[in-house]
Amino acid sequence: DQQVKQNSPSLSVQEGRISILNCDYTNSMFDYFLWYKKYPAEGPTFLISISSIKDKNEDGRFTVFLNKSAKHLSLHIVPSQPGDSAVYFCAASAGNQFYFGTGTSLTVIP
Amino acid sequence: EPEVTQTPSHQVTQMGQEVILRCVPISNHLYFYWYRQILGQKVEFLVSFYNNEISEKSEIFDDQFSVERPDGSNFTLKIRSTKLEDSAMYFCASSEDDGYMNTEAFFGQGTRLTVV
Repeated sequence: DQQVKQNSPSLSVQEGRISILNCDYTNSMFDYFLWYKKYPAEGPTFLISISSIKDKNEDGRFTVFLNKSAKHLSLHIVPSQPGDSAVYFCAASAGNQFYFGTGTSLTVIP
Repeated sequence: EPEVTQTPSHQVTQMGQEVILRCVPISNHLYFYWYRQILGQKVEFLVSFYNNEISEKSEIFDDQFSVERPDGSNFTLKIRSTKLEDSAMYFCASSEDDGYMNTEAFFGQGTRLTVV
């Protein structure tokens, strides 16, 4: 039973444009959501998070949006840079267990 | 910057052998985790550990698996009798308790386990 879903396995975006990565979840008990970035042969690196009491959190080029009624969150990267090319994992937690999506591989084309 | 470190980076073992994967979490963190990622699949939760005991575990974490915090710094995952399907990247993570349970986990670089 996959509680966190990333339905797009890959995404290609031109440098300078906006990248939008989407994530859906099923468990209404999740109260904290995170995005991780992963390069090959490395562990996931924390990128940005949002609490369920908010609907938006911004950190530089990265913004996470949370729509609780739709159980949907998204990560916006503006502007996209070639160094952003990586696999992005959405994660959600209720308590001390993190549930991960399957990841979206982002390629930013120079 | 504090980081989670894992050793070894790559472990090759024969089927049926025991392996121990080692992790040094960030020093002031209180929660520790093991995750794994089979090639091409999702990152899967195995176990969380707090106050010297398992707090949660998944169905993957069966009797072949055990975790231990043998001293104040190391956190280990032992697989007693490895199977071919145990081949995966194993990630250790740790998080601090901010009192509200909302905190990110920091991951190590992973140990690639190959069972032959």
